[in-house]
Amino acid sequence: EAGVAQSPRYKIIEKRQSVAFWCNPISGHATLYWYQQILGQGPKLLIQFQNNGVVDDSQLPKDRFSAERLKGVDSTLKIQPAKLEDSAVYLCASSLTLQETQYFGPGTRLLVL
Amino acid sequence: AQSVTQLGSHVSVSEGALVLLRCNYSSSVPPYLFWYVQYPNQGLQLLLKYTTGATLVKGINGFEAEFKKSETSFHLTKPSAHMSDAAEYFCAVTLDTGRRALTFGSGTRLQVQP
Repeated sequence: EAGVAQSPRYKIIEKRQSVAFWCNPISGHATLYWYQQILGQGPKLLIQFQNNGVVDDSQLPKDRFSAERLKGVDSTLKIQPAKLEDSAVYLCASSLTLQETQYFGPGTRLLVL
Repeated sequence: AQSVTQLGSHVSVSEGALVLLRCNYSSSVPPYLFWYVQYPNQGLQLLLKYTTGATLVKGINGFEAEFKKSETSFHLTKPSAHMSDAAEYFCAVTLDTGRRALTFGSGTRLQVQP
């Protein structure tokens, strides 16, 4: 069974530029999560989808971050404009349902200069 | 709200020695508890989890953890460390209700000395 796929793996941008990350969850997984992992810290939830609906986006900085999961499968996370403090690894995870174990992708490492 | 504290950001052991990584949680309702491992430049991999039932949980790669409600702890152990165990370990908690998003600790980096 294929795991959670993410791209790109690495991205370097300058502050005030925009960037987008893509996630393809495990086939059939209804729940999808985006986490932000700043160096030296544990991952922190940004947004959670159940199918194509948002379950929790309370920690998403909505003035600059947006995410969508239009067909209930793939998801994109966008930052516009980026700030220096957005430098982090962005992890996507999926689970079969809300109650099931989360499986993580390899992450996208973002560096904002 | 729930939270997780991992004592010790770095732990170093000799190959063959006992591994003990500490995790304490705070939760107003019965928690679900997890340990994940992260190798360099990789995503998180589930080691083990506690939901209900037996409080001693066995996971992959010889790791186990014991849920102690009275101590609000979920420490991770392995009897004999191997060089391949060197990685970052994260304890996480979620609640048996609602959204089920994980709250992670800050992580413990395990070094294994030859």
